Amino acid sequence: GAGVSQSPSNKVTEKGKDVELRCDPISGHTALYWYRQSLGQGLEFLIYFQGNSAPDKSGLPSDRFSAERTGGSVSTLTIQRTQQEDSAVYLCASSLSASGAKETQYFGPGTRLLVL
Amino acid sequence: GNSVTQMEGPVTLSEEAFLTINCTYTATGYPSLFWYVQYPGEGLQLLLKATKADDKGSNKGFEATYRKETTSFHLEKGSVQVSDSAVYFCALSDRGSNYKLTFGKGTLLTVNP
Repeated sequence: GAGVSQSPSNKVTEKGKDVELRCDPISGHTALYWYRQSLGQGLEFLIYFQGNSAPDKSGLPSDRFSAERTGGSVSTLTIQRTQQEDSAVYLCASSLSASGAKETQYFGPGTRLLVL
Repeated sequence: GNSVTQMEGPVTLSEEAFLTINCTYTATGYPSLFWYVQYPGEGLQLLLKATKADDKGSNKGFEATYRKETTSFHLEKGSVQVSDSAVYFCALSDRGSNYKLTFGKGTLLTVNP
């Protein structure tokens, strides 16, 4: 079946512009996670959704970052007034639920963001 | 908080050599442990996992045993292939952290023919 998809695959933007990154999780997966992968910081958690609610936003690095999820499916991560330090690969993962640690997270291919 | 420490790379081996990548963790609860792999130009894939102490995860010839007494989850393979060249990430999750994954910094493995 279809895996997690993300779009765009690459995004180049100018400092100060807003960007939106999209994630389509595996159908039926209620838990959705966003992570960021950068050279200096490795893989970092950003935000977790269960259904449409986000009980854990603890990884968002600043108030320029926000995310929403609609219909228990698609999620959008928005970065406002982008800065050069936002350049990274943004990864989305989904799992059947987060009710047990046995639930495997499946990752999308990522969006590579470059802020000039 | 949770943390994962894994062996710094890069690791370079010849084909058919034995591989060990060390991973130790700190967790407040009872975590599940994972190894993820990222092949060149591809996304993160789950390689293997273990959900409780003394469990052994295995896949594609790779193995790792959940050792609670040493808080370790070392990755091993008896005979590596060129196709195993990738970045390997050790990770953990637990209920107290909403099952979000905490990753190690990754280990780049290069296998030469």
